Amino acid sequence: GAGVSQSPSNKVTEKGKDVELRCDPISGHTALYWYRQSLGQGLEFLIYFQGNSAPDKSGLPSDRFSAERTGGSVSTLTIQRTQQEDSAVYLCASSLEQGNQPQHFGDGTRLSIL
Amino acid sequence: AQSVTQLGSHVSVSEGALVLLRCNYSSSVPPYLFWYVQYPNQGLQLLLKYTTGATLVKGINGFEAEFKKSETSFHLTKPSAHMSDAAEYFCAVSHGSSNTGKLIFGQGTTLQVKP
Repeated sequence: GAGVSQSPSNKVTEKGKDVELRCDPISGHTALYWYRQSLGQGLEFLIYFQGNSAPDKSGLPSDRFSAERTGGSVSTLTIQRTQQEDSAVYLCASSLEQGNQPQHFGDGTRLSIL
Repeated sequence: AQSVTQLGSHVSVSEGALVLLRCNYSSSVPPYLFWYVQYPNQGLQLLLKYTTGATLVKGINGFEAEFKKSETSFHLTKPSAHMSDAAEYFCAVSHGSSNTGKLIFGQGTTLQVKP
């Protein structure tokens, strides 16, 4: 597709379950970012990928959060043992390279923990 | 550390009136500055950006912003509001020489446009 694609668009799960969120960046974009948007905390950076490596994971809130990227393309954000405070919209963005290149955002995954 | 402050979580204007959304940043190094717009249930769309060069930046949909280093500001303006401008607006900063490009966002300003 032409833009950043995220799936699922909505996810409802029970507390304690694991969830996987997927991001398909724009073809050719080497930089990929995950952000979290919640009512209380606003928009927060989670992790940055350059190719398949993640030189900046400083925004991951706990060790229950992990992410990987394969083939320099698709990325998966995994949350283990979900908690209610994990409820948020998870946004993925990609850019041609890091720095001053604009980031293109997907529509996000709305995660609700019951 | 970098930070962004957006003054006013809600701004209401009449259709045809001037739009002014305020953004102040804190950065110890030359920043890159961005304005994004978010419509309900959608991701963020880039309106405009400042990296280097001309301090008055023009973006899409008639918006523009001026980088004022002395005031550490990057306010967003539009001469005449349209109903379709109603959305949430985010100002963001990234480290000018960072090797990550991660964005630090303000808390957002919801723009309401009254007919």
